Order: sequence, then structure tokens, then C-alpha cells
Amino acid sequence: NAGVTQTPKFQVLKTGQSMTLQCAQDMNHEYMSWYRQDPGMGLRLIHYSVGAGITDQGEVPNGYNVSRSTTEDFPLRLLSAAPSQTSVYFCASSRGAEAFFGQGTRLTVV
Amino acid sequence: GENVEQHPSTLSVQEGDSAVIKCTYSDSASNYFPWYKQELGKRPQLIIDIRSNVGEKKDQRIAVTLNKTAKHFSLHITETQPEDSAVYFCAHYRRLYFGRGTQLTVWP
Repeated sequence: NAGVTQTPKFQVLKTGQSMTLQCAQDMNHEYMSWYRQDPGMGLRLIHYSVGAGITDQGEVPNGYNVSRSTTEDFPLRLLSAAPSQTSVYFCASSRGAEAFFGQGTRLTVV
Repeated sequence: GENVEQHPSTLSVQEGDSAVIKCTYSDSASNYFPWYKQELGKRPQLIIDIRSNVGEKKDQRIAVTLNKTAKHFSLHITETQPEDSAVYFCAHYRRLYFGRGTQLTVWP
């Protein structure tokens, strides 16, 4: 079992570029979510999904898109990167209420 | 709403002392209260949790208490050790909203 796998680990983008952060889990969890972590701000929920074909917004959804075509995958898309999106991003999947996190993606937008 | 407030934001203790971190929530429907630990450069991991039908739960040196009337729950770490140094997050299970975290530093 690999658990939750996120790619890439590091990424530098130029302002205005788009990209997709990948997240895959092999635990057959229905619930998946994306967080961003900034100093002093904790883990803020961006988007979440309760199952394939169902997504919803969290606390800070602006500038991000998600889709959930399969149970395993939950990619996060940055439509037009901005410096304010510089952060560490975590994907998580949940069994019941316990969340399992990916290793994180450190994104820098210049 | 879904918010959970966590205090303090930083906490420094001497090795062997106790540490207490408190979270308050507003959603009366919350029924599950986990605590996560994040070591530097690593992902958060669940360390203990409590359900709403229980007032206290212990696991060796860590414990969590819940006061549903006052809508707060706390993490207690006794006999702290340097390896307890990390950021601790509380959360409540609706959509797993997290508190802002507490940076705990344990000095030898």
C-alpha cells in the first residue's frame, strides 16, 4: 500500500502559468481533500470530494479547480498562478474521520 | 459555522513539564475531535482522537478531554520530551477543518 501519493514534491511557476497537482490514493477511500499550509495559518481546506463525480468548495477555493473522475485520483488545478498561491499543498484521503496525508507539494509562484 | 479556534499559537515548556493545547468549536453537530502532529518538513499524522460520547481518552503520555457543553476540547501531553516538539493541529469532523496549529517546543 502506497497510501496517498502526491506529485510533484517541488514546483516553481511563473505568474499566469497553469498546472495540475496530482493526488492518488490506493486505500479505496471515498473522501478526499486538498489543503494549503501557510505559516501561522494552519491547514486551510481548498476543495473536497465525497466520492467520484462529487466535489465541493472548502474555505479558500478561489483560483483552484478540482475534479474526481475515479475514486483513486483527485487532481488540483491552478488556473492562472499568482504569487499569493505560493504555499505547501497537502492532499488527504479519509477512512471514516481519520485523514491520511500525502507528502506535500511545495509550490513557489514567481 | 465550521471554524475551530486553537490556542496558544506557540508553547514552550521544559522537558518533563506538561503541555496543554485547547480548541473551541461552534458546530454543535460535531461528533469527532482528532489531534494531528506535524514534525518539521513532514506530513500531519493523527495522534489521538475522541468521539462525542466520551469525555476523556488517554494513550500513554497524551490525553484528550472534551467538554461538549462548553464546546471545547484539549490535548494534554505529560512528561514532555524533546521529540514532542512539533506543530499540533486540532480539527473537527464535518469537512475536517483544522485549527491554526500550535508550535510546541520542548527544551532539554
